Amino acid sequence: GQQLNQSPQSMFIQEGEDVSMNCTSSSIFNTWLWYKQEPGEGPVLLIALYKAGELTSNGRLTAQFGITRKDSFLNISASIPSDVGIYFCAGSGYGSSNTGKLIFGQGTTLQVKP
Amino acid sequence: DAGVIQSPRHEVTEMGQEVTLRCKPISGHNSLFWYRQTMMRGLELLIYFNNNVPIDDSGMPEDRFSAKMPNASFSTLKIQPSEPRDSAVYFCASSLASYKEQFFGPGTRLTVL
Repeated sequence: GQQLNQSPQSMFIQEGEDVSMNCTSSSIFNTWLWYKQEPGEGPVLLIALYKAGELTSNGRLTAQFGITRKDSFLNISASIPSDVGIYFCAGSGYGSSNTGKLIFGQGTTLQVKP
Repeated sequence: DAGVIQSPRHEVTEMGQEVTLRCKPISGHNSLFWYRQTMMRGLELLIYFNNNVPIDDSGMPEDRFSAKMPNASFSTLKIQPSEPRDSAVYFCASSLASYKEQFFGPGTRLTVL
Protein backbone atom coordinates (compact mmCIF):
# COMPACT_ATOMS: atom_id res chain seq x y z
CA GLY A 1 0.00 0.00 0.00
CA GLN A 2 0.92 3.65 -0.16
CA GLN A 3 3.37 4.93 2.41
CA LEU A 4 4.55 8.37 3.40
CA ASN A 5 7.96 9.03 4.84
CA GLN A 6 8.16 12.26 6.80
CA SER A 7 11.42 13.72 8.03
CA PRO A 8 12.86 14.71 10.31
CA GLN A 9 11.07 12.93 13.16
CA SER A 10 11.85 15.76 15.55
CA MET A 11 13.56 19.13 15.62
CA PHE A 12 14.76 21.27 18.48
CA ILE A 13 15.63 24.75 17.31
CA GLN A 14 16.31 28.24 18.56
CA GLU A 15 13.64 30.91 18.25
CA GLY A 16 14.17 32.87 15.04
CA GLU A 17 15.59 29.98 13.05
CA ASP A 18 14.02 28.70 9.86
CA VAL A 19 12.60 25.16 9.76
CA SER A 20 12.23 22.74 6.90
CA MET A 21 10.50 19.35 6.83
CA ASN A 22 9.48 17.11 3.98
CA CYS A 23 7.47 14.09 2.96
CA THR A 24 8.05 11.57 0.24
CA SER A 25 5.66 9.01 -1.14
CA SER A 26 6.18 5.63 -2.74
CA SER A 27 3.56 6.55 -5.34
CA ILE A 28 1.99 9.56 -6.99
CA PHE A 29 -0.31 11.82 -5.03
CA ASN A 30 -2.74 14.40 -6.40
CA THR A 31 -3.24 16.24 -3.13
CA TRP A 32 -0.82 17.24 -0.41
CA LEU A 33 -1.95 18.70 2.89
CA TRP A 34 0.01 19.98 5.86
CA TYR A 35 -1.48 19.93 9.37
CA LYS A 36 -0.31 21.06 12.80
CA GLN A 37 -1.40 19.34 16.00
CA GLU A 38 -1.03 20.77 19.48
CA PRO A 39 -1.42 18.73 22.69
CA GLY A 40 -5.01 17.75 23.41
CA GLU A 41 -6.29 19.07 20.09
CA GLY A 42 -7.08 17.73 16.66
CA PRO A 43 -4.88 18.42 13.63
CA VAL A 44 -5.44 21.87 12.16
CA LEU A 45 -5.06 22.39 8.42
CA LEU A 46 -2.22 24.75 7.51
CA ILE A 47 -1.84 24.50 3.76
CA ALA A 48 -3.51 22.52 0.95
CA LEU A 49 -1.78 21.82 -2.38
CA TYR A 50 -3.52 20.45 -5.47
CA LYS A 51 -1.16 21.01 -8.41
CA ALA A 52 2.32 19.69 -9.12
CA GLY A 53 4.84 22.49 -8.68
CA GLU A 54 2.41 24.61 -6.67
CA LEU A 55 4.04 26.83 -4.07
CA THR A 56 1.71 28.24 -1.42
CA SER A 57 2.32 30.49 1.55
CA ASN A 58 0.35 31.06 4.72
CA GLY A 59 2.07 33.74 6.77
CA ARG A 60 5.49 32.44 7.76
CA LEU A 61 4.67 29.02 6.34
CA THR A 62 5.46 27.96 2.78
CA ALA A 63 4.72 24.57 1.24
CA GLN A 64 5.37 23.10 -2.17
CA PHE A 65 3.89 20.23 -4.16
CA GLY A 66 6.81 18.45 -5.79
CA ILE A 67 7.03 18.24 -9.57
CA THR A 68 7.24 14.45 -9.45
CA ARG A 69 4.00 14.37 -7.38
CA LYS A 70 5.82 12.13 -4.91
CA ASP A 71 7.02 14.72 -2.44
CA SER A 72 6.21 17.93 -0.61
CA PHE A 73 8.00 20.21 1.80
CA LEU A 74 6.98 22.70 4.46
CA ASN A 75 9.14 25.62 5.53
CA ILE A 76 8.60 27.81 8.57
CA SER A 77 10.54 31.06 8.62
CA ALA A 78 11.65 32.93 11.72
CA SER A 79 10.23 30.38 14.17
CA ILE A 80 8.52 31.53 17.37
CA PRO A 81 7.62 29.58 20.54
CA SER A 82 3.99 29.11 19.46
CA ASP A 83 5.18 27.10 16.45
CA VAL A 84 5.72 24.20 18.84
CA GLY A 85 3.68 21.14 17.94
CA ILE A 86 3.57 18.12 15.69
CA TYR A 87 3.41 18.76 11.96
CA PHE A 88 1.86 16.14 9.71
CA CYS A 89 1.90 15.82 5.97
CA ALA A 90 -0.97 13.97 4.34
CA GLY A 91 -1.54 12.92 0.78
CA SER A 92 -4.25 11.50 -1.37
CA GLY A 93 -3.54 9.53 -4.51
CA TYR A 94 -5.10 8.65 -7.82
CA GLY A 95 -7.48 5.79 -8.40
CA SER A 96 -10.90 4.97 -7.10
CA SER A 97 -9.43 2.95 -4.28
CA ASN A 98 -7.65 6.01 -2.99
CA THR A 99 -10.08 8.80 -3.70
CA GLY A 100 -10.49 10.90 -0.61
CA LYS A 101 -8.42 8.57 1.50
CA LEU A 102 -5.67 10.55 3.15
CA ILE A 103 -2.41 8.85 4.03
CA PHE A 104 -0.61 10.58 6.92
CA GLY A 105 3.09 10.89 7.57
CA GLN A 106 4.49 9.94 10.96
CA GLY A 107 4.77 13.59 12.01
CA THR A 108 7.60 15.99 12.82
CA THR A 109 7.76 17.16 16.42
CA LEU A 110 8.99 20.74 16.60
CA GLN A 111 10.31 22.32 19.76
CA VAL A 112 11.42 25.95 19.84
CA LYS A 113 13.75 27.29 22.47
CA PRO A 114 13.06 30.93 23.35
CA ASP B 1 -18.65 29.02 12.37
CA ALA B 2 -18.81 25.82 14.34
CA GLY B 3 -16.20 23.26 13.46
CA VAL B 4 -16.49 19.52 13.80
CA ILE B 5 -18.02 18.67 17.18
CA GLN B 6 -17.17 15.49 19.03
CA SER B 7 -18.48 14.09 22.27
CA PRO B 8 -17.49 13.09 24.80
CA ARG B 9 -14.02 14.67 24.97
CA HIS B 10 -12.87 12.05 27.45
CA GLU B 11 -14.21 8.59 28.17
CA VAL B 12 -12.96 6.15 30.77
CA THR B 13 -14.57 2.75 30.81
CA GLU B 14 -13.93 -0.79 31.89
CA MET B 15 -13.06 -3.65 29.62
CA GLY B 16 -16.15 -5.28 28.18
CA GLN B 17 -18.31 -2.18 28.26
CA GLU B 18 -19.89 -0.60 25.19
CA VAL B 19 -18.50 2.74 24.11
CA THR B 20 -20.22 5.18 21.74
CA LEU B 21 -18.41 8.16 20.29
CA ARG B 22 -20.35 10.91 18.57
CA CYS B 23 -19.58 13.38 15.81
CA LYS B 24 -21.34 16.32 14.22
CA PRO B 25 -19.62 17.34 10.97
CA ILE B 26 -19.41 20.86 9.62
CA SER B 27 -22.71 21.85 8.06
CA GLY B 28 -22.68 21.33 4.30
CA HIS B 29 -19.82 18.85 4.31
CA ASN B 30 -20.60 15.64 2.45
CA SER B 31 -17.77 13.43 3.63
CA LEU B 32 -17.04 12.23 7.15
CA PHE B 33 -14.02 10.35 8.40
CA TRP B 34 -13.20 8.48 11.64
CA TYR B 35 -9.54 8.21 12.66
CA ARG B 36 -7.70 6.65 15.58
CA GLN B 37 -4.41 8.05 16.88
CA THR B 38 -1.91 6.19 19.05
CA MET B 39 1.75 6.72 19.77
CA MET B 40 2.65 3.43 18.15
CA ARG B 41 0.60 3.64 14.96
CA GLY B 42 0.04 7.35 14.46
CA LEU B 43 -3.13 8.47 12.69
CA GLU B 44 -5.12 5.65 11.13
CA LEU B 45 -8.25 5.99 9.03
CA LEU B 46 -10.94 3.67 10.34
CA ILE B 47 -13.86 4.39 8.03
CA TYR B 48 -15.26 7.16 5.86
CA PHE B 49 -18.67 8.11 4.54
CA ASN B 50 -19.75 10.01 1.44
CA ASN B 51 -23.30 11.40 1.58
CA ASN B 52 -23.99 9.24 4.66
CA VAL B 53 -22.94 6.03 2.87
CA PRO B 54 -19.91 4.07 4.15
CA ILE B 55 -17.34 3.97 1.36
CA ASP B 56 -14.26 2.38 2.88
CA ASP B 57 -14.23 0.54 6.20
CA SER B 58 -11.05 -1.39 5.59
CA GLY B 59 -9.40 0.35 8.52
CA MET B 60 -11.92 -0.86 11.08
CA PRO B 61 -9.88 -3.15 13.35
CA GLU B 62 -12.42 -5.89 13.89
CA ASP B 63 -16.09 -6.67 14.28
CA ARG B 64 -16.17 -5.02 17.67
CA PHE B 65 -16.06 -1.69 15.86
CA SER B 66 -19.05 -0.29 14.00
CA ALA B 67 -19.93 3.13 12.61
CA LYS B 68 -23.15 4.67 11.45
CA MET B 69 -24.21 7.90 9.82
CA PRO B 70 -28.01 8.11 10.01
CA ASN B 71 -28.09 11.62 8.57
CA ALA B 72 -25.83 14.35 7.24
CA SER B 73 -25.30 15.94 10.63
CA PHE B 74 -24.52 13.00 12.88
CA SER B 75 -22.29 9.96 13.07
CA THR B 76 -21.39 7.43 15.75
CA LEU B 77 -18.50 5.06 16.27
CA LYS B 78 -19.30 2.18 18.58
CA ILE B 79 -16.97 -0.30 20.23
CA GLN B 80 -18.63 -3.35 21.77
CA PRO B 81 -17.11 -4.91 23.79
CA SER B 82 -14.23 -2.54 24.50
CA GLU B 83 -10.72 -3.78 25.28
CA PRO B 84 -7.69 -2.04 26.83
CA ARG B 85 -5.93 -2.00 23.44
CA ASP B 86 -8.71 0.25 22.12
CA SER B 87 -7.36 3.05 24.29
CA ALA B 88 -6.49 5.91 21.94
CA VAL B 89 -7.65 9.31 20.75
CA TYR B 90 -10.45 9.03 18.20
CA PHE B 91 -10.89 11.87 15.73
CA CYS B 92 -13.75 12.71 13.45
CA ALA B 93 -13.10 14.86 10.37
CA SER B 94 -15.30 16.22 7.61
CA SER B 95 -14.80 17.70 4.16
CA LEU B 96 -16.86 19.22 1.38
CA ALA B 97 -16.01 16.25 -0.80
CA SER B 98 -13.88 13.19 -0.28
CA TYR B 99 -10.92 14.62 -2.21
CA LYS B 100 -10.99 18.03 -0.52
CA GLU B 101 -9.15 19.10 2.61
CA GLN B 102 -10.42 17.56 5.83
CA PHE B 103 -11.21 19.46 9.02
CA PHE B 104 -10.74 17.64 12.29
CA GLY B 105 -12.68 17.72 15.52
CA PRO B 106 -10.98 17.99 18.94
CA GLY B 107 -11.02 14.24 19.45
CA THR B 108 -12.26 11.84 22.12
CA ARG B 109 -9.63 10.40 24.43
CA LEU B 110 -10.72 6.85 25.26
CA THR B 111 -9.23 4.91 28.12
CA VAL B 112 -10.30 1.30 28.61
CA LEU B 113 -9.24 -0.13 31.96
